[in-house]
Amino acid sequence: AQKITQTQPGMFVQEKEAVTLDCTYDTSDQSYGLFWYKQPSSGEMIFLIYQGSYDEQNATEGRYSLNFQKARKSANLVISASQLGDSAMYFCAMRDDSTGFGNEKLTFGTGTRLTIIP
Amino acid sequence: NAGVMQNPRHLVRRRGQEARLRCSPMKGHSHVYWYRQLPEEGLKFMVYLQKENIIDESGMPKERFSAEFPKEGPSILRIQQVVRGDSAAYFCASSPPTSGGGETQYFGPGTRLLVL
Repeated sequence: AQKITQTQPGMFVQEKEAVTLDCTYDTSDQSYGLFWYKQPSSGEMIFLIYQGSYDEQNATEGRYSLNFQKARKSANLVISASQLGDSAMYFCAMRDDSTGFGNEKLTFGTGTRLTIIP
Repeated sequence: NAGVMQNPRHLVRRRGQEARLRCSPMKGHSHVYWYRQLPEEGLKFMVYLQKENIIDESGMPKERFSAEFPKEGPSILRIQQVVRGDSAAYFCASSPPTSGGGETQYFGPGTRLLVL
């Protein structure tokens, strides 16, 4: 069974600073995918970034990067130069890719509520 | 290119009534997933469907809940005889047919169900 742990229920960060949101995972699968989603107060789920377990390079998407440390089973999200619009809930999620079909269910963590302070 | 569509966005039902939630996947996507989010919690997987097939329903409650994705039309999540504990946000996600790589799931805006 897969498990995602997000240990920071809430974080307050000054605008323009970088922020790291923690995510650790537990799985016995050899092939898996890691995702981060953002949920603003309006409620929708916005895909941010994806990392495959066999990807050697850390994923980056604009101001988002994923600090993937496979041996530690961690997949922290780093947001550079934070903006007021980054205030939201952030969810880490995992998918079992061992079947090779790439379309399995996602397992989510409990989320971190990020608040950016002007 | 429209995203995943869900309707209604908000649904109020009294205990014992039926709730029908609809999801239209993104164009070209043939895989649909339903997730439930209770207040202040993460999303929990319910069911994974392809056209006319239920692939994985391991997260569906055994009673009162059903899902379908017909050949034509949207996917439907149906909750019979709703109870207060069914109050939650229900999200639909879709992904394209796999090319063997990591296919991202894109989410709809969700349906907020309130049971009185």
